[in-house]
Amino acid sequence: GQNIDQPTEMTATEGAIVQINCTYQTSGFNGLFWYQQHAGEAPTFLSYNVLDGLEEKGRFSSFLSRSKGYSYLLLKELQMKDSASYLCAVRGDNTDKLIFGTGTRLQVFP
Amino acid sequence: DSGVTQTPKHLITATGQRVTLRCSPRSGDLSVYWYQQSLDQGLQFLIQYYNGEERAKGNILERFSAQQFPDLHSELNLSPLELGDSALYFCASSAGRETSGPGDTQYFGPGTRLTVL
Repeated sequence: GQNIDQPTEMTATEGAIVQINCTYQTSGFNGLFWYQQHAGEAPTFLSYNVLDGLEEKGRFSSFLSRSKGYSYLLLKELQMKDSASYLCAVRGDNTDKLIFGTGTRLQVFP
Repeated sequence: DSGVTQTPKHLITATGQRVTLRCSPRSGDLSVYWYQQSLDQGLQFLIQYYNGEERAKGNILERFSAQQFPDLHSELNLSPLELGDSALYFCASSAGRETSGPGDTQYFGPGTRLTVL
């Protein structure tokens, strides 16, 4: 079967660093994506990993370990506007479709 | 703005009715995907079209149907509607290729909020 696990909710303080974990078990692997989604709005693309290691993009970084079926999204210098859901999604072999986790709702407090 | 457009933004209708949701992909994208997101649930993949042809099917009910037209816009039809169909419906598009590969990022439209009374 296919399964993607993320924590349901997390809280953090403005200016802090937060790490959102994602573990997956899928039939084949051809890339892992992170999206940000504010309530009632469209998911917006944040990052993509297909090889092991860390991808850095400004305040956001994403890490992948294919052997462990594990990824994390690291958000630095948190801002209030970072309060949103963060969705982990995996693409399997020979397919374009994405399997999404249920998302992690992050609340940033002043 | 992702460049993907969806209409209508909101739709309120009754059980048993039929609705059509419309999506226009980003310029140059050949693949269109439909997702359903119910309250407090994850995005559920429904169906994918690539250059007019169905490419992949997910958890799409038999009451739902979709197509992609020669100008690459897509429509999702839902009929007859049930209360449980109330959800956000998102369309996404990607460049797509003849064969699947990494790096083909999906960009999402603003969604259609469907309420079935």
